[in-house]
Amino acid sequence: VQLQQSGPGLVKPAQTLSLTCSVSGRAITSRGYFWTWIRQLPGKGLEWIAYTYYTGNTDSNPSLENRVTISLDPSKNQFSLELTSVTAADTAVYYCATADNSPSHTFDIWGQGTKVAVSS
Amino acid sequence: EIVLTQSPDTLSLSPGERAALSCRASQSIGSSLAWYQHKPDQAPTLVIYGTSTRATGVPDRFSGSGSGTDFTLTISRLEPEDFAVYYCQQSSRSPTFGQGTKLEIK
Repeated sequence: VQLQQSGPGLVKPAQTLSLTCSVSGRAITSRGYFWTWIRQLPGKGLEWIAYTYYTGNTDSNPSLENRVTISLDPSKNQFSLELTSVTAADTAVYYCATADNSPSHTFDIWGQGTKVAVSS
Repeated sequence: EIVLTQSPDTLSLSPGERAALSCRASQSIGSSLAWYQHKPDQAPTLVIYGTSTRATGVPDRFSGSGSGTDFTLTISRLEPEDFAVYYCQQSSRSPTFGQGTKLEIK
């Protein structure tokens, strides 16, 4: 399984951050798999953002106050993240991740990371 | 939310020494704990999952132990490539990470 991220590296304040993770080596609708977004804020640690299950069920970090949408696109074998109303505090490196040879909600496969700056 | 607290924040050791990194959970998480190694400008890599199972390709100098709320990652003999930031992460409920321990060369 490999994950390839795409999306802009610069987003204006109050706009929506949109990132996509293309999956190869497994169908995203494969039974039992979760697909996750994680970020690293500057000078800080890792923060789980959200995940989507292969069924399309989702969960997100309450600290992001309902600004997060995560979705599957089986036709493209991709999953996506949208984060609305961004501020400078959302500047971070964003990663998509999943479990291939590890239990659910542990992450042995990662995308390459996308450095996103929120700035006008 | 389950809060994970790692200690120490920074650990300064020399190659060949033994490292012990601690992670404490705010409530019991059974054995649902993983450890990641994170180097600058790279994605994190999974080192340990299920408290003590090494991920694919991880050398046996890495070991994990603990249960409930207290966990330890041990690196028996540090190699130069082991110096990095290490995060613990619980998978008992919605995932959370510790704040990280920076393992630096003394």
